[in-house]
Amino acid sequence: KAGVTQTPRYLIKTRGQQVTLSCSPISGHRSVSWYQQTPGQGLQFLFEYFSETQRNKGNFPGRFSGRQFSNSRSEMNVSTLELGDSALYLCASSPGTGRDEQYFGPGTRLTVT
Amino acid sequence: AQSVTQPDIHITVSEGASLELRCNYSYGATPYLFWYVQSPGQGLQLLLKYFSGDTLVQGIKGFEAEFKRSQSSFNLRKPSVHWSDAAEYFCAVAHGDMRFGAGTRLTVKP
Repeated sequence: KAGVTQTPRYLIKTRGQQVTLSCSPISGHRSVSWYQQTPGQGLQFLFEYFSETQRNKGNFPGRFSGRQFSNSRSEMNVSTLELGDSALYLCASSPGTGRDEQYFGPGTRLTVT
Repeated sequence: AQSVTQPDIHITVSEGASLELRCNYSYGATPYLFWYVQSPGQGLQLLLKYFSGDTLVQGIKGFEAEFKRSQSSFNLRKPSVHWSDAAEYFCAVAHGDMRFGAGTRLTVKP
């Protein structure tokens, strides 16, 4: 089976712009979670989608949003980018939700200048 | 609220030496516990998981972890470290969503 894929792998944006990141889960997995990883804050949970519904949400401002499509692919959007949004954004998929192990993609490295 | 603590930010061991990475969790019930490894610039790879049953779980790459309820711990061990094990290791607990520890960076000396 192909693993979790994320596109693009690298992205450079300017403050105030918006960005959309994409994640394709492992075939058959219905849950997709997103994480932000920074040296200072570590791995922080953004949100989880299961069957096109947001199941859980972390403590991030409304500028961070996501969605999941009927084929389980997911997108994450960040509007009005700030310098502090520079991070590695990781997507993970799992068969179910809640307690299943998650399988991670390679991440999208976002740099905001 | 559930939380995970990895007390050691950075550990250095010699190649061939044994390794133990510590993880403590805070959760009311028995959580689902995981260890992940991350190489530089890469995503996280699942090493092993504990859901229930035998408290000693075996994982990939020769790693094992032991769940100790009385100590709220889930420490990761490897009897003999290889240079390729140098990476960052994350302990995680799952109930509803997954929470990660801050990570332990492992350096392997030749």
